[in-house]
Amino acid sequence: AQSVTQPDIHITVSEGASLELRCNYSYGATPYLFWYVQSPGQGLQLLLKYFSGDTLVQGIKGFEAEFKRSQSSFNLRKPSVHWSDAAEYFCAVATNTGNQFYFGTGTSLTVIP
Amino acid sequence: DGGITQSPKYLFRKEGQNVTLSCEQNLNHDAMYWYRQDPGQGLRLIYYSQIVNDFQKGDIAEGYSVSREKKESFPLTVTSAQKNPTAFYLCASTTPGQGDSPLHFGNGTRLTVT
Repeated sequence: AQSVTQPDIHITVSEGASLELRCNYSYGATPYLFWYVQSPGQGLQLLLKYFSGDTLVQGIKGFEAEFKRSQSSFNLRKPSVHWSDAAEYFCAVATNTGNQFYFGTGTSLTVIP
Repeated sequence: DGGITQSPKYLFRKEGQNVTLSCEQNLNHDAMYWYRQDPGQGLRLIYYSQIVNDFQKGDIAEGYSVSREKKESFPLTVTSAQKNPTAFYLCASTTPGQGDSPLHFGNGTRLTVT
């Protein structure tokens, strides 16, 4: 069965520090992977996606993610965090038919000055 | 600009009343979804529809109903049978059959039932 695990419920980083949010997935075929960000009381905004090709994908707001098939991981990174990055982050996997999406439980990011 | 509109943003109801949440999209997407979000539980799928006049139950469909009479619209009714309806509800859409097509989300409706 398809599933997504985000091991870290909450992460706190200092502004300007680097960030890595972890995501592990379970899916038998080639996965389609996504990272979303959610500000309080808002919907989810797409940060980036991976479906084939280069395993390092660039997204909006300076985020990037690396797909590692051997580790079933799709970790999100940012070299230098800004206070405005404080939000909830969700990793998701889609089936190759594009009909079903499975979300992790999210990682809440706090940025301290 | 294309997008998904959910209304209202906040909704208050008394226990025992049915309530309908609106979701409209102008992205020309065939597939639409309803998710429920509770703290610490991520997004859970309630219903989804891949085409007009057709929809399927998700993981937590009990106590909810939907209709898909128009491509643009996918309203969700929270019935009195839903035991714990207070939550944040998100509507989303995408182009089905293309695995790399992401979900696009509305800004959500927060439902409070007392």
